[in-house]
Amino acid sequence: KAGVTQTPRYLIKTRGQQVTLSCSPISGHRSVSWYQQTPGQGLQFLFEYFSETQRNKGNFPGRFSGRQFSNSRSEMNVSTLELGDSALYLCASSDRGGFTEAFFGQGTRLTVV
Amino acid sequence: AQTVTQSQPEMSVQEAETVTLSCTYDTSESNYYLFWYKQPPSRQMILVIRQEAYKQQNATENRFSVNFQKAAKSFSLKISDSQLGDTAMYFCAFMKHQGGSEKLVFGKGTKLTVNP
Repeated sequence: KAGVTQTPRYLIKTRGQQVTLSCSPISGHRSVSWYQQTPGQGLQFLFEYFSETQRNKGNFPGRFSGRQFSNSRSEMNVSTLELGDSALYLCASSDRGGFTEAFFGQGTRLTVV
Repeated sequence: AQTVTQSQPEMSVQEAETVTLSCTYDTSESNYYLFWYKQPPSRQMILVIRQEAYKQQNATENRFSVNFQKAAKSFSLKISDSQLGDTAMYFCAFMKHQGGSEKLVFGKGTKLTVNP
């Protein structure tokens, strides 16, 4: 089975721009979660999608949004980028089989300049 | 809200020796899961070991084992026979058990270096 795939791996954007990151979960997995990792704040939960519905959302401003498609692929969007949005964005998928295990992708490194 | 605390920002150990990483958490939940994830320089988070709160028996996975003390809200990771490939950031994480939502709450991490 292929793992969780995140694209792109690296991204450089300018303040004020918007960005879309993509995550393809493991085949058969219906839950996709997104996390932001920074040296200062560590790993913080952004949101989780299951069967195209957002089930939970972290404490991030409305500039951060996401969606999930019928094939379980997910995208997250950040509008009006700020310098503080520079981070590693990790996506995780799971199959909701009771005692779940989240499988992570290698992340997208976003740099805002 | 749940919180996870890892009090050791950095640790080092000699190859083949044993090291224990500490983790404490705070929750009012009675049913939950605890995890240790490893993040090597490649950045990919890899599950090391997991524990269900209702199970009293400590989880083990080869060289990795945990000491789960539910009353003390403590969940430490022991790595035996440390190998150079164990060098990584280690994150302790908590997940509340509920019908939906898979939110992991992570500690700040412990950077482990295994020295030859």
